[in-house]
Amino acid sequence: AQKITQTQPGMFVQEKEAVTLDCTYDTSDPSYGLFWYKQPSSGEMIFLIYQGSYDQQNATEGRYSLNFQKARKSANLVISASQLGDSAMYFCAMREGEDSSYKLIFGSGTRLLVRP
Amino acid sequence: DTEVTQTPKHLVMGMTNKKSLKCEQHMGHRAMYWYKQKAKKPPELMFVYSYEKLSINESVPSRFSPECPNSSLLNLHLHALQPEDSALYLCASSQDRGPGNTIYFGEGSWLTVV
Repeated sequence: AQKITQTQPGMFVQEKEAVTLDCTYDTSDPSYGLFWYKQPSSGEMIFLIYQGSYDQQNATEGRYSLNFQKARKSANLVISASQLGDSAMYFCAMREGEDSSYKLIFGSGTRLLVRP
Repeated sequence: DTEVTQTPKHLVMGMTNKKSLKCEQHMGHRAMYWYKQKAKKPPELMFVYSYEKLSINESVPSRFSPECPNSSLLNLHLHALQPEDSALYLCASSQDRGPGNTIYFGEGSWLTVV
């Protein structure tokens, strides 16, 4: 079974509007971390935001926020006030507890295109 | 700007060549990684070094040979590659293992095997 699911292969958003990228995860480990990365066409994988499984509050980093719903096992990324430079591939990823925690499990990604 | 630097940015090599990809980080991280990424796919883990020792080899063919000369450097030696090995190779590092440790990636090395 997929451990990280991103159901939106591609999305469009108008410049200056907000957009939500969906991510659901599956784990039985009580300790895990959830990450979002941005990958422009240049190839660099840019870390955006992190949410720990024990964190009580949703993570925020500038225009990025993570809508963490633990009971639903979802960790959606919200980008506010979209900019043209936000056009990129976005990956949701998870690191599970101690035993296998070197590994970063990726979703299939969502390609976001910001329209002017 | 990324604190994980990779060289070269682009590499074209023949199937009989020997080349190396290099990676450096100055964040004091103890774990370093090589990932391979094909077009329109997420990255796939190849190797993990922890405290300069090889911790994980994801059944990577021996034509890829990793090396960790010290805690800041990671190399990937390439020999007798196949055209299907053409991909983006990403180096990464993290402070340590554990779900709370963020993995930071470099800009990647685009490899083309001809």
